[in-house]
Amino acid sequence: GENVEQHPSTLSVQEGDSAVIKCTYSDSASNYFPWYKQELGKRPQLIIDIRSNVGEKKDQRIAVTLNKTAKHFSLHITETQPEDSAVYFCALSDRGSTLGRLYFGRGTQLTVWP
Amino acid sequence: EAQVTQNPRYLITVTGKKLTVTCSQNMNHEYMSWYRQDPGLGLRQIYYSMNVEVTDKGDVPEGYKVSRKEKRNFPLILESPSPNQTSLYFCASSSGLYTDTQYFGPGTRLTVL
Repeated sequence: GENVEQHPSTLSVQEGDSAVIKCTYSDSASNYFPWYKQELGKRPQLIIDIRSNVGEKKDQRIAVTLNKTAKHFSLHITETQPEDSAVYFCALSDRGSTLGRLYFGRGTQLTVWP
Repeated sequence: EAQVTQNPRYLITVTGKKLTVTCSQNMNHEYMSWYRQDPGLGLRQIYYSMNVEVTDKGDVPEGYKVSRKEKRNFPLILESPSPNQTSLYFCASSSGLYTDTQYFGPGTRLTVL
């Protein structure tokens, strides 16, 4: 199956700073790249996603960038707040041949200090 | 309210005692999946289903069975649970039409003694 590498595994930032999490992958057929946020004791929830025909997507303080040539995509959180503290997972899929198959990174524990 | 439900939410059992974790969604989604979440390993897909009577293995299918007799239900069966199946399990569903957004259930924390 697809291998998704996610870095860093832990990230601590001061409130108001930016946070960046990066994921790399190997299968060039991957074409859908979502990011999930999981708060302590809760279920993962989609926060933003991007498709391979788009290089960047923004939603308020959150943005995702995709570099298909280099096979990596990143989550950017600006003006971080304590409520951004959670585990963030990148994921990807190839909707062409494996519908329903989603590969996850191992997660990044983000801590935002007030 | 659109949702994915799982039961039970918590379960402590003993090695070898068959158990079933139920999953149900009310969004008429075609795609359903089971994941297990372990510290440091993220979410790993156990089985997924693209439609009724269509199931396929994910990354870690050993020791698990699934069935998809109805569109809304996707139970996970552990015929003979072992301690290495102690984990947090999530069911998820997605429409698969334009997006692969997966909606997760609340999770089932399973402990096998």
